[in-house]
Amino acid sequence: DAKTTQPPSMDCAEGRAANLPCNHSTISGNEYVYWYRQIHSQGPQYIIHGLKNNETNEMASLIITEDRKSSTLILPHATLRDTAVYYCIVVRTGANSKLTFGKGITLSVRP
Amino acid sequence: NAGVTQTPKFQVLKTGQSMTLQCAQDMNHEYMSWYRQDPGMGLRLIHYSVGAGITDQGEVPNGYNVSRSTTEDFPLRLLSAAPSQTSVYFCASSYSGATKEQYFGPGTRLTVT
Repeated sequence: DAKTTQPPSMDCAEGRAANLPCNHSTISGNEYVYWYRQIHSQGPQYIIHGLKNNETNEMASLIITEDRKSSTLILPHATLRDTAVYYCIVVRTGANSKLTFGKGITLSVRP
Repeated sequence: NAGVTQTPKFQVLKTGQSMTLQCAQDMNHEYMSWYRQDPGMGLRLIHYSVGAGITDQGEVPNGYNVSRSTTEDFPLRLLSAAPSQTSVYFCASSYSGATKEQYFGPGTRLTVT
């Protein structure tokens, strides 16, 4: 599976949009981009995923560049409860697909 | 639905002891997996199962055994605990494979002395 690169940390003000970048320059055509987050010591939580089109759900938006080599997770109105480690993961399709977690990016939302 | 449940929440073992971490899900998911997370690190896949009777190794399988006799349960056995297995263990399940949304349990904190 393609590897991803994320900055180690970032912060944003409460109520503002949080834009979390991810590079996956070696992604293949059959690999999806997934985002999970882990709020202090809890099990990871699925946020969103996409293949090549931009995606939006009630939690976030995912913007994937046209060449698919990078993506951005957008939390439109960050709250203090969004403070967490966010993992960008590339996953190949297939029955034996696996999630490979890196260190993620620590998002700190400040009041 | 209870989702994914894990027991126990905390466990302390002595080196050489064996134990089983329990994981159960009530969502009729085919895919289940076990991860470990060491301090300051991301999760690493230990073993996974794509359905009852089928298991496979992940990234760090040594020292652990799994079996999947039912769709609901996916226990993780530590054969002879070592201090290097001190970690937080998470179980997850999904409808089918890692390309579907995975639901994670609350974790088991294991300390091996």
